[in-house]
Amino acid sequence: AQSVTQLDSHVSVSEGTPVLLRCNYSSSYSPSLFWYVQHPNKGLQLLLKYTSAATLVKGINGFEAEFKKSETSFHLTKPSAHMSDAAEYFCVVSPLSGYSTLTFGKGTMLLVSP
Amino acid sequence: DTGVSQDPRHKITKRGQNVTFRCDPISEHNRLYWYRQTLGQGPEFLTYFQNEAQLEKSRLLSDRFSAERPKGSFSTLEIQRTEQGDSAMYLCASSFSRAGAGELFFGEGSRLTVL
Repeated sequence: AQSVTQLDSHVSVSEGTPVLLRCNYSSSYSPSLFWYVQHPNKGLQLLLKYTSAATLVKGINGFEAEFKKSETSFHLTKPSAHMSDAAEYFCVVSPLSGYSTLTFGKGTMLLVSP
Repeated sequence: DTGVSQDPRHKITKRGQNVTFRCDPISEHNRLYWYRQTLGQGPEFLTYFQNEAQLEKSRLLSDRFSAERPKGSFSTLEIQRTEQGDSAMYLCASSFSRAGAGELFFGEGSRLTVL
C-alpha cells in the first residue's frame, strides 16, 4: 500500500521569500515520488520526480525537492517565490516499476502576495 | 496544440442520465489513464490502457462506469445512470511506455455536474 500526506492545505508567502511545501509518504516498497502543479484552468504538469537516483531533485521553474528516507519525507522548496508560482501542488507516490498508478495527496494551495 | 485534449470541458446533466467523455492523447503516447478529482481532493486513479488493452479497471468506482479505447488512440469514459455523487472533474492523461513511471501528461479535464 502507498499513500502521501501533504501537511498543509494552504501556504501563503510573499513574493521573493522562500517556499516550503511539506509531504510525507508511506510505501511498502521503494517508491517513486513526484510533485505535480496545477494552475487554474490548466492541466496537471510534472514539476519534478525522484526515482532512486540522486536524493536532491531539481525541477522546473527553480523548484527542488529532497528525498529523506529516514524521515519518509519529500518536501518541495524554492528559494524565492514568484507571483506565477501561485497554484495547487500535489505530492504523488508510485511504485518504482510497473505501470503508473499514481497516488496523489490532497494538494497544497500556494498563495503568493506582492 | 499537441497536448492531451478532453471533450466536453463542462457537462451538466440530470440524475439518471448517461454521459460520455472523450480523451485524445498525445499522438505518440501508447498509455492512457483516467482519473477523477473531487473538490478538495487529489486525483484518484480509475483505469488505464496500454494501446487498446485495458490493463487495470478494478478501481472504476462502480459498474456504472466503463471506458474504452477501441483503436488504441482516443478513449471514452461513460457513466450510466448518473448520480449526484458523480459530480467531479474527470481527468485524462497519457504517457509513452518507455518513460519513467509517473511522467504523465494531463488534459485540462471534463467537469461533470449532476443535478
